[in-house]
Amino acid sequence: DAGVIQSPRHEVTEMGQEVTLRCKPISGHNSLFWYRQTMMRGLELLIYFNNNVPIDDSGMPEDRFSAKMPNASFSTLKIQPSEPRDSAVYFCASSSRPDSSYGYTFGSGTRLTVV
Amino acid sequence: RKEVEQDPGPFNVPEGATVAFNCTYSNSASQSFFWYRQDCRKEPKLLMSVYSSGNEDGRFTAQLNRASQYISLLIRDSKLSDSATYLCVVTNAGNMLTFGGGTRLMVKP
Repeated sequence: DAGVIQSPRHEVTEMGQEVTLRCKPISGHNSLFWYRQTMMRGLELLIYFNNNVPIDDSGMPEDRFSAKMPNASFSTLKIQPSEPRDSAVYFCASSSRPDSSYGYTFGSGTRLTVV
Repeated sequence: RKEVEQDPGPFNVPEGATVAFNCTYSNSASQSFFWYRQDCRKEPKLLMSVYSSGNEDGRFTAQLNRASQYISLLIRDSKLSDSATYLCVVTNAGNMLTFGGGTRLMVKP
């Protein structure tokens, strides 16, 4: 199993530009999660999909952030326009169970730097 | 108050030592509990689930005290390779995982 695959691994962009992060969950996993990690705030849940449907997006910081899951094998997190305070590591995770009782498997993350 | 609270450390211990981390959580309805390990510049990885009766996996022992809303992780015979950040994780009201800020462990030769 290839695990959760994220791309790109690193992204450096200028303030105001659009950034798109990509994630391929583990095959057969029905739940997908986007997290953001910073030194100050730790790991924060941004949005959660179950069977491709967004269930909880209360963690999305503001309208500049949007996420989609057009099919079971692909999700995107888009930031438009990007700001320096968006600099963080963005992790995608997937799970075979919506009740989280088996934990999540994380991708390697995308390290985003907005200058 | 944060949902999951941990001492950030760092805990500096010599090889072979026994070290314990604690964690408290605020949601009494939490059902699932885990410890994750995160190496520097890597993703979090599941270390072990935590069960009400306590559970052991080799040198690692996890305990849960629901009455006190307290979770612990004990590492015996510490190895250099145990150096990492240990994240305490509980399910929130929506049954999703909520992560503590992590406790950093550094094992010295």
